Amino acid sequence: NAGVTQTPKFRILKIGQSMTLQCTQDMNHNYMYWYRQDPGMGLKLIYYSVGAGITDKGEVPNGYNVSRSTTEDFPLRLELAAPSQTSVYFCASSPGQVYGYTFGSGTRLTVV
Amino acid sequence: QQPVQSPQAVILREGEDAVINCSSSKALYSVHWYRQKHGEAPVFLMILLKGGEQKGHEKISASFNEKKQQSSLYLTASQLSYSGTYFCGALSGAGSYQLTFGKGTKLSVIP
Repeated sequence: NAGVTQTPKFRILKIGQSMTLQCTQDMNHNYMYWYRQDPGMGLKLIYYSVGAGITDKGEVPNGYNVSRSTTEDFPLRLELAAPSQTSVYFCASSPGQVYGYTFGSGTRLTVV
Repeated sequence: QQPVQSPQAVILREGEDAVINCSSSKALYSVHWYRQKHGEAPVFLMILLKGGEQKGHEKISASFNEKKQQSSLYLTASQLSYSGTYFCGALSGAGSYQLTFGKGTKLSVIP
């Protein structure tokens, strides 16, 4: 099994550009999450989903959007990129609330 | 609110023991523990549910005191491979899906 796959691994964006970070899991997990990680700050939840068609905001949703049309895919959309969105983005999935998360390898995004 | 981890960093020699603490100001439903090596994704170690249980994973174990809203991670007879940053994640209620992570504890094991 591939687990959680994120693409791209690295990306440089110019201020004002938009992009979509892709996340796919092949474990049939209902729960999926997007976190961002800034140095020394831990992981902050951006959005999460408890199943296809259901998404909700996390702690830091501003500037981002998500969709969940299938169980497997949970893309994260950045509109009008800003330098404050420079970060490492991790997608994760879990089978349910009492299980640990499986993280993807991350996307390192730089906005210049 | 973000759980508070202590210490922020610790250096151990191989074979020594360490304890990492995680405290929350909110009542906890569950606590997760993860280890992240530099440039890699966090890796799940264990989850502790409300009920004050203790869990073990080889030489790494953890406890959860729901009355004190605290969890501790115990690393015994540390190995070089234990080096990394350890994060606790706190879930504040059975109906919550927002796992909130602490800032991490950087553990360095030296020969």
